[in-house]
Amino acid sequence: EAGVVQSPRYKIIEKKQPVAFWCNPISGHNTLYWYLQNLGQGPELLIRYENEEAVDDSQLPKDRFSAERLKGVDSTLKIQPAELGDSAVYLCASSATGNEQFFGPGTRLTVL
Amino acid sequence: QKEVEQDPGPLSVPEGAIVSLNCTYSNSAFQYFMWYRQYSRKGPELLMYTYSSGNKEDGRFTAQVDKSSKYISLFIRDSQPSDSATYLCAMSPGGSNYKLTFGKGTLLTVNP
Repeated sequence: EAGVVQSPRYKIIEKKQPVAFWCNPISGHNTLYWYLQNLGQGPELLIRYENEEAVDDSQLPKDRFSAERLKGVDSTLKIQPAELGDSAVYLCASSATGNEQFFGPGTRLTVL
Repeated sequence: QKEVEQDPGPLSVPEGAIVSLNCTYSNSAFQYFMWYRQYSRKGPELLMYTYSSGNKEDGRFTAQVDKSSKYISLFIRDSQPSDSATYLCAMSPGGSNYKLTFGKGTLLTVNP
């Protein structure tokens, strides 16, 4: 069974540029999560989807961050414009039961 | 005070040692408790998943939850160099609230 797929694995951009991350969850997993992990910290939830509906986006900075999961399968997280403080690892996770969440390898973003 | 506290270490042990990793928490609503292992530049990998209080064993790994003390532990027996990684505790209230709250992670090195 294939795991959660994320791309790109690494991204370097200059501040004020836009950036997008893509995630394909484990087949059959209806719940998809985006997390942010800063260096030396645990992941923090940004947004949770149940199928195509965003059911918890309270931690998503909506002035510059947006996400979509149009067909209830893969998802895209976007930042526009990026700031220096956005440098971090962006993790995608999926689950079938809700409590057991399986993570992808992450996208490491560096904003210069 | 953060909801989940975890000693970041680093922790260094010789091969074959018994390792004890711990987290404390303050939110009595947490019902589901997980341990993730994260290798450098990889996503978190689910190791152990327990509900409420008690013990759970899986091979060399044992997870313990003491809800009365708000304290969870992960024990690794006969530690191996391949166990060298960051170990993250995570917990959630469950029900319709699947939001995971993570500790900062403990960096473990097992020396051959």
